Amino acid sequence: AQSVAQPEDQVNVAEGNPLTVKCTYSVSGNPYLFWYVQYPNRGLQFLLKYITGDNLVKGSYGFEAEFNKSQTSFHLKKPSALVSDSALYFCAVRDPDTGRRALTFGSGTRLQVQP
Amino acid sequence: GAGVSQSPSNKVTEKGKDVELRCDPISGHTALYWYRQSLGQGLEFLIYFQGNSAPDKSGLPSDRFSAERTGGSVSTLTIQRTQQEDSAVYLCASSLAQGGDTQYFGPGTRLTVL
Repeated sequence: AQSVAQPEDQVNVAEGNPLTVKCTYSVSGNPYLFWYVQYPNRGLQFLLKYITGDNLVKGSYGFEAEFNKSQTSFHLKKPSALVSDSALYFCAVRDPDTGRRALTFGSGTRLQVQP
Repeated sequence: GAGVSQSPSNKVTEKGKDVELRCDPISGHTALYWYRQSLGQGLEFLIYFQGNSAPDKSGLPSDRFSAERTGGSVSTLTIQRTQQEDSAVYLCASSLAQGGDTQYFGPGTRLTVL
């Protein structure tokens, strides 16, 4: 079975500082990994994904994530946080070897960027 | 272009009533997914349609839940005899169903069962 863990319920960071939102996963094969962001009363917005290739993936709004197979991690990062980055972030995984296309999501991490 | 749309945006119903939630996927997307987001359970997969294949219903929590997709486009999620624990945000997503395709989500329908 596939699973995702987001160990932090909330991350607080000052505007202008770097931010990291952690994600670890468990799948039997090679994972497809995704990050989504959710603003209040909105659906999920796609940020970035890792499918194959370069371990460092760049996405929308200046976010990036690094796939680390040995640590089974896919942490989301941004060099300089903005107040407008404050939102709920979800990591998700899919195991392509199972043939199932449904995503398994982590519990979400609330990012709070203070001015 | 147009994204995934869902209606209604909010639905309040009484316990025991049936409800229908609608999803319009992105044009050309052959895969359509329903997820549920609730405080206690987080984001859970419900059902998945791809083309003319039999849907993956493995996430439906009970036989009160059903969904159909007509003409390979619009989908309706039906909850019969609603219970208070059905209160959640129901999210629909669509994708091209190719390789590592991205699922694009609609704004959701917030269902409140009184």
